[in-house]
Amino acid sequence: QVQLVQSGAEVKKPGASVKVSCKASGYTFTGYYMHWVRQAPGQGLEWMGWINPDSGGTNFAQKFQGRVTMTRDTSISTAYMELSSLRSDDTAVYYCARSPTPPKWGQLDFWGQGTLVTVSS
Amino acid sequence: EIVLTQSPATLSLSPGERATLSCRASQSVNSYLAWYQQKPGQAPRLLIYDASNRATGIPARFSGSGSGTDFTLTISSLEPEDFAVYYCQQRSNWPSLTFGGGTKVEIK
Repeated sequence: QVQLVQSGAEVKKPGASVKVSCKASGYTFTGYYMHWVRQAPGQGLEWMGWINPDSGGTNFAQKFQGRVTMTRDTSISTAYMELSSLRSDDTAVYYCARSPTPPKWGQLDFWGQGTLVTVSS
Repeated sequence: EIVLTQSPATLSLSPGERATLSCRASQSVNSYLAWYQQKPGQAPRLLIYDASNRATGIPARFSGSGSGTDFTLTISSLEPEDFAVYYCQQRSNWPSLTFGGGTKVEIK
């Protein structure tokens, strides 16, 4: 069965970086895009961007351009999201979620369990 | 950027009642709209994709309709496990996605 298993909770200081991992199993890792979505406490869902695990190509929401990096290691079917220059308003649960490739791109059919990132001095 | 506006923000209903949730887009998204359900402490779950197609394993009481800028998620008869927050999401403007602000369906 499809599973996306994310790394554990993180506590970071303002200005630091965080790297969250998402290990995929139960399907062909390179056959689906991997998206990252975050949710601040008590708030809605915010899309951050995606990586194409096959090519390594990426696309980010304008809000995160210059601060987010998405990478993958196909040998271990794992995607990574790194966010730099952390601020207190980056405190959120970060989810990975897969979608089919075009033309069905963008339907987030399986999600990881979420990783809480807390930014506090 | 395409903005999705969901209404109402909160819907107070009793089990067995019909729920009607709305999602309006700032410009046409054709039929490229999905709905997700999120329960407290859980990841979102895909319910409906491309406006009206139920995802795998989703009960028939959930249905979606609409195209262009106006969309509806209907839950025909609320079960206790349906009380949750629902989000719409568009995939029309490749390569970006956006979500609506959510509608909370609570027990009256």
